[in-house]
Amino acid sequence: SAVISQKPSRDICQRGTSLTIQCQVDSQVTMMFWYRQQPGQSLTLIATANQGSEATYESGFVIDKFPISRPNLTFSTLTVSNMSPEDSSIYLCSVARGGNTIYFGEGSWLTVV
Amino acid sequence: AQSVTQLGSHVSVSEGALVLLRCNYSSSVPPYLFWYVQYPNQGLQLLLKYTSAATLVKGINGFEAEFKKSETSFHLTKPSAHMSDAAEYFCAVSDPGGNQFYFGTGTSLTVIP
Repeated sequence: SAVISQKPSRDICQRGTSLTIQCQVDSQVTMMFWYRQQPGQSLTLIATANQGSEATYESGFVIDKFPISRPNLTFSTLTVSNMSPEDSSIYLCSVARGGNTIYFGEGSWLTVV
Repeated sequence: AQSVTQLGSHVSVSEGALVLLRCNYSSSVPPYLFWYVQYPNQGLQLLLKYTSAATLVKGINGFEAEFKKSETSFHLTKPSAHMSDAAEYFCAVSDPGGNQFYFGTGTSLTVIP
């Protein structure tokens, strides 16, 4: 398994501001994934972050809106920029480990007002 | 391309009754299949996974799932529901490389006392 810590766990943000979510993993991993889960919805992959290269974004997500950093093999950040109420979601960090299995952090609950 | 279909967005069972959550997949290659559980206000936790070994997979909390290739199904079952099983359940499929994961839309399980 994997121990994945996310900060903040919850936040209420003003529209137009930006928030950076941190994800710390208990050991080195090659690939880290960022997902969004909108209220009552399933998970949508935002991007895949590999250390030492630019993140790969899924259709509908752009770097200007969701910049990602991956400075080392145990840490990543996701920034939600210029937030609007539509960005109110759970943001989940995850890693792939041990037999093609992904493990999730506890999520960051963002509410934009 | 791979996809996952969960039949029934909401399932209600009485405490002590059988739990059956349905998942069908489509995949052009032998898939890896997963069930995750999301308890209220928490992240996703791995329940069990199928990775081409035994077709009947046992997971945590008394859950199990059976891979049926002929039916392209991976239904989740538990013989006797407990109140603590109330949660959102997600079925997922990945390619053998573990680079792409596809989640179902989720099934909300309610357990009636």
